[in-house]
Amino acid sequence: KNQVEQSPQSLIILEGKNCTLQCNYTVSPFSNLRWYKQDTGRGPVSLTIMTFSENTKSNGRYTATLDADTKQSSLHITASQLSDSASYICVVRVSGGGADGLTFGKGTHLIIQP
Amino acid sequence: DAGVIQSPRHEVTEMGQEVTLRCKPISGHNSLFWYRQTMMRGLELLIYFNNNVPIDDSGMPEDRFSAKMPNASFSTLKIQPSEPRDSAVYFCASSRDYWNEKLFFGSGTQLSVL
Repeated sequence: KNQVEQSPQSLIILEGKNCTLQCNYTVSPFSNLRWYKQDTGRGPVSLTIMTFSENTKSNGRYTATLDADTKQSSLHITASQLSDSASYICVVRVSGGGADGLTFGKGTHLIIQP
Repeated sequence: DAGVIQSPRHEVTEMGQEVTLRCKPISGHNSLFWYRQTMMRGLELLIYFNNNVPIDDSGMPEDRFSAKMPNASFSTLKIQPSEPRDSAVYFCASSRDYWNEKLFFGSGTQLSVL
C-alpha cells in the first residue's frame, strides 16, 4: 500500500531559527514529490516539486531534498519568519498516474514563536 | 486569476439537513477535485472530474454524498442527510489537466454538523 509518513507531527521553533521537516514514502513506482504549504484557514499551495533525478532544490528560504534510494525527502527552512507558521504537506505521485494518483502525508504543523 | 473559489466558507447545520458546497475552478483548468480534510486522516480524495465528467468517485464515503459538474466553471458537493461525522473542511481543487498533478486549492468550506 502506498503511504507517506511525515515527521514531526508538530514543531515549535523561535523566529530566526532553522528547521527541517521529514517525509518518508513507500509509493512505487515513483514519479515526483511535491511540498505544499497550508496557512491556517486556507488551502494548500505548492512550494516545490522534486523529480527522480533531482537531489536538491531551493525556493527562497526553503530547500527541499530528495533521496530516491531511501525514499526520503526533507524540507529545510532557513532563518524562519512568523509567516512560515503553517502546515507543510508532502505529496507523492505514482508513476503513470495523473492528478488522482497522489498520496498525501498528514502534514507537519509548524509554529514560529517571536 | 482569481483562483479556485469556494462557498460558503463556513457552514453550520443540524444533523439530517441537506448541505451543498460550491466550487468555481480556475478558468481553463480541465480537472476538478473534491477533498475532505480532518486532523485524523489528513486530505482524502472524494471524487474528481475530467472535462466535467466524473471519473472516479470511489472516495465518496456513502450514498449520502453526491457531486455534480454541470459545466466547466461550476461544481457542487451535496450531503443529504448530513451527520455529525461529516464535520470537516472540504476543499475543491483544480489542475490544468489530468496529467498535470499540480493542484490549486480553494480556501475550503468548514462544515460543522451538530
